[in-house]
Amino acid sequence: QSALTQPASVSGSPGQSITISCTGTSSDVGGYKYVSWYQEYPGKAPKLLIYEVTNRPSGVSNRFSGSKSGNTASLTISGLQAEDEADYYCSSYTSRNTWVFGGGTKLTVL
Amino acid sequence: EVKLVESGGGLVQPGGSLRLSCVASGFTFSSYSMTWVRQAPGKGLEWVSFISYETNTIYYGDSVKGRFTISRDNAQNSLYLQMNSLRVEDTAVYFCVREASWGRWNSWGQGTLVTVSS
Repeated sequence: QSALTQPASVSGSPGQSITISCTGTSSDVGGYKYVSWYQEYPGKAPKLLIYEVTNRPSGVSNRFSGSKSGNTASLTISGLQAEDEADYYCSSYTSRNTWVFGGGTKLTVL
Repeated sequence: EVKLVESGGGLVQPGGSLRLSCVASGFTFSSYSMTWVRQAPGKGLEWVSFISYETNTIYYGDSVKGRFTISRDNAQNSLYLQMNSLRVEDTAVYFCVREASWGRWNSWGQGTLVTVSS
């Protein structure tokens, strides 16, 4: 199972909005609503930000939002803050009863 | 408070075996499906295996199928991963993850490091 495609890095200035894409196929991202996004700081466990494409768990800032169009899901972070600097991963259920992650995106806040 | 504590990691030679454990607390373990996710040093996340709350559904990633076995003991609030025929590329931090709903991995342990090296 190939990893979902994410940009290796994105950057933005405080207050700006950025979007991280996650591209798969019709057998994963495009075929199911089970796309999630995770935030990971170095040496820490990942944290769930978005599940089922657009849903935000309680306690997660509404600056984080998710969407999907065709085989590509997206995570948007608005009002960028220094604390958002981290690695971000998407994941998707697949038609083979497996799960696949994206390669990860390093967000730099300038 | 939900708590997941992994143990059992360590250094093992290629071809060897290791059994990881994850002890859960702070929630009704028997009501939740569980997942193992791993992360090689400096690399991204990789899904490893899934087990349903009643143990009747189990899935594995292609890279570990036939070598790893996931299991659980609901009476002991514990999740396990038996890893056989270990390879250098299995070197990673292994996370125990609780699934709140399908694909909604909302609670993660801190991970246990497995190093496969001669």
